[in-house]
Amino acid sequence: DAGITQSPRYKITETGRQVTLMCHQTWSHSYMFWYRQDLGHGLRLIYYSAAADITDKGEVPDGYVVSRSKTENFPLTLESATRSQTSVYFCASSIAGPQETQYFGPGTRLLVL
Amino acid sequence: AQSVTQPDIHITVSEGASLELRCNYSYGATPYLFWYVQSPGQGLQLLLKYFSGDTLVQGIKGFEAEFKRSQSSFNLRKPSVHWSDAAEYFCAVGAQGRDDKIIFGKGTRLHILP
Repeated sequence: DAGITQSPRYKITETGRQVTLMCHQTWSHSYMFWYRQDLGHGLRLIYYSAAADITDKGEVPDGYVVSRSKTENFPLTLESATRSQTSVYFCASSIAGPQETQYFGPGTRLLVL
Repeated sequence: AQSVTQPDIHITVSEGASLELRCNYSYGATPYLFWYVQSPGQGLQLLLKYFSGDTLVQGIKGFEAEFKRSQSSFNLRKPSVHWSDAAEYFCAVGAQGRDDKIIFGKGTRLHILP
């Protein structure tokens, strides 16, 4: 039982390339979230999803796209990566909303050159 | 809109000493309040949360936090820290009656002296 997993764990890409970060959870949690973590900013919400085919913007959505065709998967795509998107990305899930316990994945460390 | 402030970026305490990490929030009504911990190289884990009722909340790993409405605070405490408590701690606030998001503070990194 893996819980919540993210892949890849580390990624180096170049400016302008498209990058997709994967997130998979085995609990059938309704809610899933994408955060980015940067020094001096803590965690900031990029996008979240309340259920399959339902997504909404968070605090910093520009430059990112999400989809959720299946409950267990919530991929995050950087359509044209920029250096400012160098960060650590965390996926999380919860049973019934952000006010419930969020379970975090191990993170993806992304470097955009 | 809600917001949360963690005034201390770094805190250093000796092993066995008591700990208090500060968290102040801004929200017009009764908030949901959380403390999460992030060990090096890992994701976040919930320590405790406050929704309503008893203002002193017990969490995992021997941590507790007290909600003080008059001071808009939700400080995290532990009577005696262990070297394994070295981590980054995040306070977060959510709005009751809304299910869209919670706001995380910028975190406090805890260092433990042997």
